[in-house]
Amino acid sequence: EAGVAQSPRYKIIEKRQSVAFWCNPISGHATLYWYQQILGQGPKLLIQFQNNGVVDDSQLPKDRFSAERLKGVDSTLKIQPAKLEDSAVYLCASSFSTGHSYEQYFGPGTRLTVT
Amino acid sequence: AQSVTQPDIHITVSEGASLELRCNYSYGATPYLFWYVQSPGQGLQLLLKYFSGDTLVQGIKGFEAEFKRSQSSFNLRKPSVHWSDAAEYFCAVGAMIKAAGNKLTFGGGTRVLVKP
Repeated sequence: EAGVAQSPRYKIIEKRQSVAFWCNPISGHATLYWYQQILGQGPKLLIQFQNNGVVDDSQLPKDRFSAERLKGVDSTLKIQPAKLEDSAVYLCASSFSTGHSYEQYFGPGTRLTVT
Repeated sequence: AQSVTQPDIHITVSEGASLELRCNYSYGATPYLFWYVQSPGQGLQLLLKYFSGDTLVQGIKGFEAEFKRSQSSFNLRKPSVHWSDAAEYFCAVGAMIKAAGNKLTFGGGTRVLVKP
């Protein structure tokens, strides 16, 4: 079974530029999550999708971050414009459904450096 | 709101020695608790989880964790550490949101170094 795929793996941009990250979840997984992991900290949930609908985006900085999952499969997370404090690893995870018994499977992450 | 504290930022242990990682949580209802491991450049992998029942939970790679409600703790243990256990370990508490979500809140992590 293929895991969660993310691209790119690394990205370096200057502040005020825009950037997009892509995630392909495990086949059949209805729930998709985007996390931000700042160096030295645990992951923080940014947004959660159930199929193509948003379940929780309470911690997403909506003035600069946006995410979509148009067909309920792949997802894209965008930052525009980027700030220095956005430097982090962005993790995508998926699970079969939303219940507690459903494990979240994580991708390898995209490491973003904003200079 | 739920929170997780991992008091130890770094732990160094000799190969073959035992390991215990501490985790304290704050949550108003019955907690759903998880331990994840993250190797350098990798995503997180689930080691074990606690939902209910037996308070001693067995996981993969020889790890176990014990849920202690009275102490609000969920400490991770391994009797004999291998060099491949060097990684960062995260404790997390899960909460249902809007009856349709499974939101994880992670602790800050404990980095484990293994000495030969």
